[in-house]
Amino acid sequence: DGGITQSPKYLFRKEGQNVTLSCEQNLNHDAMYWYRQDPGQGLRLIYYSQIVNDFQKGDIAEGYSVSREKKESFPLTVTSAQKNPTAFYLCASSMRDAAGYTFGSGTRLTVV
Amino acid sequence: DAKTTQPNSMESNEEEPVHLPCNHSTISGTDYIHWYRQLPSQGPEYVIHGLTSNVNNRMASLAIAEDRKSSTLILHRATLRDAAVYYCILRDGPGVYGGATNKLIFGTGTLLAVQP
Repeated sequence: DGGITQSPKYLFRKEGQNVTLSCEQNLNHDAMYWYRQDPGQGLRLIYYSQIVNDFQKGDIAEGYSVSREKKESFPLTVTSAQKNPTAFYLCASSMRDAAGYTFGSGTRLTVV
Repeated sequence: DAKTTQPNSMESNEEEPVHLPCNHSTISGTDYIHWYRQLPSQGPEYVIHGLTSNVNNRMASLAIAEDRKSSTLILHRATLRDAAVYYCILRDGPGVYGGATNKLIFGTGTLLAVQP
């Protein structure tokens, strides 16, 4: 079955450490996105990519980095520069001009 | 980015229709109206989308006002499994490649409670 996979589901890190969240899709979608969700809030866009080897900043890109070396993969690195990294992180994918977006099940990151 | 306005919460009874409103007075001519829903601790799930005409699918119906400044998501018979946060979102405008960027800009959505 086609889908989008985020791993791990739960992640704990010490303050000051960089951490990379995985996002893989086998839907042949061109575009991929990373969102952050805080408790009781909507989703906020971190980064997005419409094509391999290209990506753009979203509304809250500071303290995060991404790469898009393969169409199927869009990993997100939460760096030590991110002031408040504890959150629920969601990855999504879509065709560039299609309607429906497919979301992963999310990674809950806790920094202690 | 064009914004949407939704009520913070709504209640419904099981097996009754639910009408979830959304205002988007600054919508542009090329913006599609999308609806997603999210259960706790899960990723959002696509529900329906439309541009100008009303749309129906197996999950719901989307009624779009003639001036496109508002829309309504209709769940024909609410079930307990429909209890979720529902987001009304406008697809972003022209982007780097001369077409839509396809960004989804989320608001806070409507929390739908379904009573048995």
